[in-house]
Parts: sequence; structure tokens; C-alpha cells
Amino acid sequence: DTGVSQDPRHKITKRGQNVTFRCDPISEHNRLYWYRQTLGQGPEFLTYFQNEAQLEKSRLLSDRFSAERPKGSFSTLEIQRTEQGDSAMYLCASSFDRGPHKSYEQYFGPGTRLTVT
Amino acid sequence: TQLLEQSPQFLSIQEGENLTVYCNSSSVFSSLQWYRQEPGEGPVLLVTVVTGGEVKKLKRLTFQFGDARKDSSLHITAAQPGDTGLYLCAGARDVRAGKSTFGDGTTLTVKP
Repeated sequence: DTGVSQDPRHKITKRGQNVTFRCDPISEHNRLYWYRQTLGQGPEFLTYFQNEAQLEKSRLLSDRFSAERPKGSFSTLEIQRTEQGDSAMYLCASSFDRGPHKSYEQYFGPGTRLTVT
Repeated sequence: TQLLEQSPQFLSIQEGENLTVYCNSSSVFSSLQWYRQEPGEGPVLLVTVVTGGEVKKLKRLTFQFGDARKDSSLHITAAQPGDTGLYLCAGARDVRAGKSTFGDGTTLTVKP
């Protein structure tokens, strides 16, 4: 299977703890995205990388959130000092930038379900 | 501000019925994607439309992009229980932008 993978699939943590999630994109994809999804809503954009460069961050991404893609392959999303409001599904997606005037089709992983107690 | 409005929010129908769900915006999108998502899983890409007026068919699913590239529809013919899921539309406003804006989806239930 060469799809997007995410680890862990589920994480339960206590308020105030730090958590880190990993995403492995489709191997030839140079773009990687993080989204957050809460119940009853569509995914909300958090940040994206082109290769190892983080090109955009949403205002939703507070200082407690940090994302890295050190070698342009896998990515990690860390949440420090978790709060109950951080409970959500964290989705990773990847795409291949085919140059200007082309659409970007994003392929999603299965997500990491975070529950902060 | 929700840029993409999907309707209806919920739809419950019997197997064999036809249905249409809508994705509307006041903004122009360079491309629009439709996804289907099952509980506890990530969205699965169904189709991408990029040209105003474009129609794409995927078996019993027909997708249309509005002439002005502000809206889209998904029509399912002879729905089956396996079509049950959350249908999401997502748009990219700038071909160079990395992010997509998602609607909140239509939850479809097809009863046998």
C-alpha cells in the first residue's frame, strides 16, 4: 500500500501533556498538508509544506502547534500543553505539484484521533 | 466565514432513489474536488473539476462544475447502501496556493 499513512491512529492524553503525530506521504508527492476536523465539520487547513519548506500556516495554528518536514519526506505535528479544545481528528494529505495552471489533488491519510481529557 | 456551503446537511433515502447534493460559494475557484469520508477515516478523493460547465461521470455519480466556477453538484443515480457516507466538496482559489477550503459536507444515508 503506497497511500498516505499516519501514526498513531488514536491518542488519548491528559490536558497539559505534549503529543506528536507522524505522517508519511505518498512517496513521489512533494506537497504535504495538515488539517484538523471536528465532529460535524469539514477539514480545516492548518499548514502545508513544499518539500521541506513550510509555506503557509493558518491562524488556527497557535504557538503551541509546530510542524516539521525535515527531509522533505515524512512530517510531524507537535502540540504542546494540550487543551481540551485540541480534541479533534488530525488529517494529513499529500499532493504532487505539477506546476502552474494545474489543480492540486490531495490524498488523505486515515487521520489521528486526539482526545484530550 | 464559510466559503463553501453544502446542502442539504443531512439526507436519508431508500436504496434505488436518485439524489443531488450541492456545493455553493460566492467565490470563484480554480478547481474543485469532491471527497467521500466514512466515520473514523480520512476523506477519499472522488473527482476534480477545473473547467466551468465541466461534467464528469464516475459510474453512478455525476459531477458538474458551474459555468462561473462558483458552484458544483453531485448527482447519484440508483443509490446503494454502499454510497452511505459524508460527501465533502473542497475548492482551491489559487492554482499556486497549497490549501483547499472544505465545506461541512452532506451526510448521506442510504437505507436498504
